[in-house]
Amino acid sequence: DADVTQTPRNRITKTGKRIMLECSQTKGHDRMYWYRQDPGLGLRLIYYSFDVKDINKGEISDGYSVSRQAQAKFSLSLESAIPNQTALYFCAVGGPNTGELFFGEGSRLTVL
Amino acid sequence: QQQVKQSPQSLIVQKGGIPIINCAYENTAFDYFPWYQQFPGKGPALLIAIRPDVSEKKEGRFTISFNKSAKQFSLHIMDSQPGDSATYFCAASKTGNNRKLIWGLGTSLAVNP
Repeated sequence: DADVTQTPRNRITKTGKRIMLECSQTKGHDRMYWYRQDPGLGLRLIYYSFDVKDINKGEISDGYSVSRQAQAKFSLSLESAIPNQTALYFCAVGGPNTGELFFGEGSRLTVL
Repeated sequence: QQQVKQSPQSLIVQKGGIPIINCAYENTAFDYFPWYQQFPGKGPALLIAIRPDVSEKKEGRFTISFNKSAKQFSLHIMDSQPGDSATYFCAASKTGNNRKLIWGLGTSLAVNP
């Protein structure tokens, strides 16, 4: 089983729909991150959480919200999806004493 | 404001060649410089990382060269293979409770047979 699991892996939806992307991890790390990847734009941080009661905005948080339901679960929501949120989304986890991040395999979202 | 500038955006080499990917940073407080490798359909994975107390680090065919005075670091892939074809990201961060990685925009590498 993967250490960082993202669901769904692929999703096609329509403008205005609410979408939730889920992430769970078995690595036991406290820090969890949501990134968005677009061609030519690299990895951009949406939100991050250092523990269950800690939620922080990243560089592109507008239009997104998150929930840290447990130490191992971190979900990303698009309350009202729009076409420019079409992208590849990655969840990542890491520990406090190392810079290494462990990524999931990504969730490809298409908003029509 | 791009704090970590990566070049080139794309790179094509022949098998056995030595692709070099460069990154430059601005914040002198950065003290951790990793490279991540991403294959199509997969998430990025840590390839190799360096701290500024050394000028070079090798792991197999992958080498990081670090120039602290120039605020630059680069990835060299010796004897490149088609299986090295991937997107490579450099990043930087500083030690502290609020550690976050600052990413370069990535380099798409193709190694032709």
